Amino acid sequence: DAKTTQPPSMDCAEGRAANLPCNHSTISGNEYVYWYRQIHSQGPQYIIHGLKNNETNEMASLIITEDRKSSTLILPHATLRDTAVYYCIVRRGRNQGGKLIFGQGTELSVKP
Amino acid sequence: GAVVSQHPSWVICKSGTSVKIECRSLDFQATTMFWYRQFPKQSLMLMATSNEGSKATYEQGVEKDKFLINHASLTLSTLTVTSAHPEDSSFYICSLRGPGGTYEQYFGPGTRLTVT
Repeated sequence: DAKTTQPPSMDCAEGRAANLPCNHSTISGNEYVYWYRQIHSQGPQYIIHGLKNNETNEMASLIITEDRKSSTLILPHATLRDTAVYYCIVRRGRNQGGKLIFGQGTELSVKP
Repeated sequence: GAVVSQHPSWVICKSGTSVKIECRSLDFQATTMFWYRQFPKQSLMLMATSNEGSKATYEQGVEKDKFLINHASLTLSTLTVTSAHPEDSSFYICSLRGPGGTYEQYFGPGTRLTVT
């Protein structure tokens, strides 16, 4: 599975959009981009995933570049409860035996 | 989303003893479960993949005789840390694949193990 590169930490003001970048330049055509987050001392929580197209759900939006070598997770109106470590993971599809391998992630601090 | 429970949520044991951690899927049958370990200030590390009715597959560097995994039913997987040592103190998290065609993977709340 392809590796990802994320900034180790980011700050965001409460109420503003948080844009978390991820580089995955060695991604293969059959690999998906997943985002999870982990609030301190809890299990990770699924946020969103995508293959080629941009995706949006009730939690966030995922923007994937046309060449698929990078993506951005957008939290449109960050709250203090969004403070967490955010992991960008590239994984093969479910039916291809892909495993979730976590990198170091980005520690997002949402400040009042 | 799926509900995954772990028991206990935290445990303290003495060096040399064994500890069993349970992972349960509460609202669907999970044929595949995963076990992760997380040391303080570090990321999650995949330890093994547990398939119901068959032997677990361990990641490179994980001692299968020390970390015994049993996936006896579609709703229960257990991880037993045998002859625990202080360096085994960690946060252990189980995870399972969503049902049917979903792509999500659900995680339990984790178990904090402290070996004294």
